[in-house]
Amino acid sequence: EPEVTQTPSHQVTQMGQEVILRCVPISNHLYFYWYRQILGQKVEFLVSFYNNEISEKSEIFDDQFSVERPDGSNFTLKIRSTKLEDSAMYFCASSERFLENNPLNTEAFFGQGTRLTVV
Amino acid sequence: AQSVTQLDSHVSVSEGTPVLLRCNYSSSYSPSLFWYVQHPNKGLQLLLKYTSAATLVKGINGFEAEFKKSETSFHLTKPSAHMSDAAEYFCVVSLRGPWIKAAGNKLTFGGGTRVLVKP
Repeated sequence: EPEVTQTPSHQVTQMGQEVILRCVPISNHLYFYWYRQILGQKVEFLVSFYNNEISEKSEIFDDQFSVERPDGSNFTLKIRSTKLEDSAMYFCASSERFLENNPLNTEAFFGQGTRLTVV
Repeated sequence: AQSVTQLDSHVSVSEGTPVLLRCNYSSSYSPSLFWYVQHPNKGLQLLLKYTSAATLVKGINGFEAEFKKSETSFHLTKPSAHMSDAAEYFCVVSLRGPWIKAAGNKLTFGGGTRVLVKP
């Protein structure tokens, strides 16, 4: 069964360092997402990406964050200068193109997450 | 705007007894509703979804949920809990409609309900 895979599963980094979280979405999917869950808090939407550009982003997704689909298979989230409050579980997800008349395509598939710890 | 409230942060049940996880949503437009489950160190797995077809939705592992528009609820139930049901459960809403086609399927998560199953 196709699945979304994320690497690494755990990442520890020093404050101020850059990190790149990697995701391989399901191959025929066209929409890609990053979500995060700070310990004890809700899962929050960060950004959605379609057709090689950001289609929507939340207030959390400031200039320190960027996303890229460098090679047609990977989807990455970069945090330029990490802060302590960036420590969280980061989930990548992908979905087929949304078609309002076809509810079968409204499912997002999630990866297992990358736990980022900033020290 | 859309939001989701899960009324119980923790639910404890005995094995073999029914499980009820409560979810209320708020959405300006017709919503799609989902329940996801997260087992320890695993990704988010889709249990079931409502996308305007039947209001009673059956999912995997014996779970089902009923969409009640008048009550803005989407409660998750299972007649008989199993030890393997111990996990965290998330109620999730996304908008449907042609005006959000470009934004894909942005998901808004509830706070989660942690289920403990006692032998």
